[in-house]
Amino acid sequence: EAGVTQFPSHSVIEKGQTVTLRCDPISGHDNLYWYRRVMGKEIKFLLHFVKESKQDESGMPNNRFLAERTGGTYSTLKVQPAELEDSGVYFCASSQDGSRWVADTQYFGPGTRLTVL
Amino acid sequence: DAKTTQPPSMDCAEGRAANLPCNHSTISGNEYVYWYRQIHSQGPQYIIHGLKNNETNEMASLIITEDRKSSTLILPHATLRDTAVYYCIVRVPLISSGSARQLTFGSGTQLTVLP
Repeated sequence: EAGVTQFPSHSVIEKGQTVTLRCDPISGHDNLYWYRRVMGKEIKFLLHFVKESKQDESGMPNNRFLAERTGGTYSTLKVQPAELEDSGVYFCASSQDGSRWVADTQYFGPGTRLTVL
Repeated sequence: DAKTTQPPSMDCAEGRAANLPCNHSTISGNEYVYWYRQIHSQGPQYIIHGLKNNETNEMASLIITEDRKSSTLILPHATLRDTAVYYCIVRVPLISSGSARQLTFGSGTQLTVLP
């Protein structure tokens, strides 16, 4: 079974440009999460999809970030326009929608390293 | 979700057991204890989780104290490839309004396995 995949693995862009990151979750996983780690900081939650719906986007830093999950399969995270502080590693994770009483386990992708110059 | 406390770093000799402690004194009755690790700059890797009972899988064992205020992750025979940052996370798995589903990462424990 394929794991969570992310594309691209690396992206280098200039300040003010637009970048789109893609995440393909494990097949059949309804839950999809985006996290990021900026230099020297801890991994932080960005948002959570259940199928195509945004369940929780409380971690999104500002309106320059737009996440979509059309059709409830893969997801994209667009940063427009990119700023220097957006540099970091963006991780995607997915999990099955377990029952209310069973803990669901999140499986992470390898991440996309974004560098904004 | 309850906050966890872990030592910032630990060393372990290759082939020996690595015992990584975690304190979660404010854990609630319905919160699970999860362990993840991050090897260098790869994505976090799930290791194990538990609620009350001790758990074991092919990667590790999880020992949770009876009062659930602390736990220990045990890697029985550490190898150089186990060098990583290990995260202990407590989390409510319930799907209900106001119940966060995300993982809250702290700074973890940097485990270095020495040859």
